Amino acid sequence: AQTVTQSQPEMSVQEAETVTLSCTYDTSESDYYLFWYKQPPSRQMILVIRQEAYKQQNATENRFSVNFQKAAKSFSLKISDSQLGDAAMYFCAYHGLNSGYALNFGKGTSLLVTP
Amino acid sequence: GAGVSQSPSNKVTEKGKDVELRCDPISGHTALYWYRQRLGQGLEFLIYFQGNSAPDKSGLPSDRFSAERTGESVSTLTIQRTQQEDSAVYLCASSFRNQPQHFGDGTRLSIL
Repeated sequence: AQTVTQSQPEMSVQEAETVTLSCTYDTSESDYYLFWYKQPPSRQMILVIRQEAYKQQNATENRFSVNFQKAAKSFSLKISDSQLGDAAMYFCAYHGLNSGYALNFGKGTSLLVTP
Repeated sequence: GAGVSQSPSNKVTEKGKDVELRCDPISGHTALYWYRQRLGQGLEFLIYFQGNSAPDKSGLPSDRFSAERTGESVSTLTIQRTQQEDSAVYLCASSFRNQPQHFGDGTRLSIL
């Protein structure tokens, strides 16, 4: 079974600064997707960024970028120019193309953004 | 609607009662998923539908849990004889083929 580990239960960043959230995963598959989802207090899971494992280039989405290290099975999220609206729970998730369709989630990192 | 819709938003019920949770996926999305999120935890997969069929029910925690989907649209998750450990947020998601899953706002279930 695939496992996703987020080792930082809580992180804090000042507005306009940069923060990196860590995620590691364990899998024997070669074809998979990785995701970062944001969950504000409204409960809705919002897709932040997606990375296909076969792509070497790191995905970017405006202020959000990832550092995907396939050999190390590491998938960190960098948030640049942090904004108050970035405060939320962030979940790392894995989707194996040959192991069903469910997303395997980490336990999440709570991000606090201070003025 | 434009997004995944879940109802009710909140449900409080007594231990032992049955509950039904509803999910309306995004129109045209063939895949539908149910997840459970306990307080302070990540999401646990419950069941996956492709069309009206459920090829993967591996996450259902007990035979008290069941789900169905009709018309390749609406899905209902039913929990019979609820227990306090069933208290959680139940999230539904839908997707088209291998595209990312889009989530609803969830139903917060509280068992007294």
